Amino acid sequence: AQKITQTQPGMFVQEKEAVTLDCTYDTSDPSYGLFWYKQPSSGEMIFLIYQGSYDQQNATEGRYSLNFQKARKSANLVISASQLGDSAMYFCAMRESGYGQNFVFGPGTRLSVLP
Amino acid sequence: EAQVTQNPRYLITVTGKKLTVTCSQNMNHEYMSWYRQDPGLGLRQIYYSMNVEVTDKGDVPEGYKVSRKEKRNFPLILESPSPNQTSLYFCASSQQGYGELFFGEGSRLTVL
Repeated sequence: AQKITQTQPGMFVQEKEAVTLDCTYDTSDPSYGLFWYKQPSSGEMIFLIYQGSYDQQNATEGRYSLNFQKARKSANLVISASQLGDSAMYFCAMRESGYGQNFVFGPGTRLSVLP
Repeated sequence: EAQVTQNPRYLITVTGKKLTVTCSQNMNHEYMSWYRQDPGLGLRQIYYSMNVEVTDKGDVPEGYKVSRKEKRNFPLILESPSPNQTSLYFCASSQQGYGELFFGEGSRLTVL
């Protein structure tokens, strides 16, 4: 069965510094996608970044990058130059490819950016 | 604009009074899902649907019903709400087999 682990319930980072949020996953399927979502205090779920299991390069979207280590089954989110607005809950998710596959979410990490 | 629309966004109701939370998406997505979010418990899946007339239980289906008669709509029904169903509910949709999950804005439900 698919499973996502986020071992950091909460993290603090100083403004303008980089931070890494950990995510490990478990699947036996060679084809899958990994996703990160941000949930600010206002409550909405915001899609940040996607990494496919066959992608040769790590995904990047602006200040967000995904450190994908396939052999270790980890998909850590790196936020560079943290901003106060980055304070939020962050969820890692996975879906195996193909018809009929469900999404699985991790428990989330609460990031607090300090001024 | 591509979106998932949930209604109502906020609702206070009383125990036992049936209610429906509607969810509609305009992206022709086959996959739709309902989640509830409670403090410290992350997102828990209630039901999901891979296509019209195909629904499956998620992790916490007790006390909820769903139907998928049309591709765009996936309502969540609470036949007899109880206080432990007080929660923030999200509807979401996606292409079948690939692509990210698009979330609605959430529906905050309080059952007294």
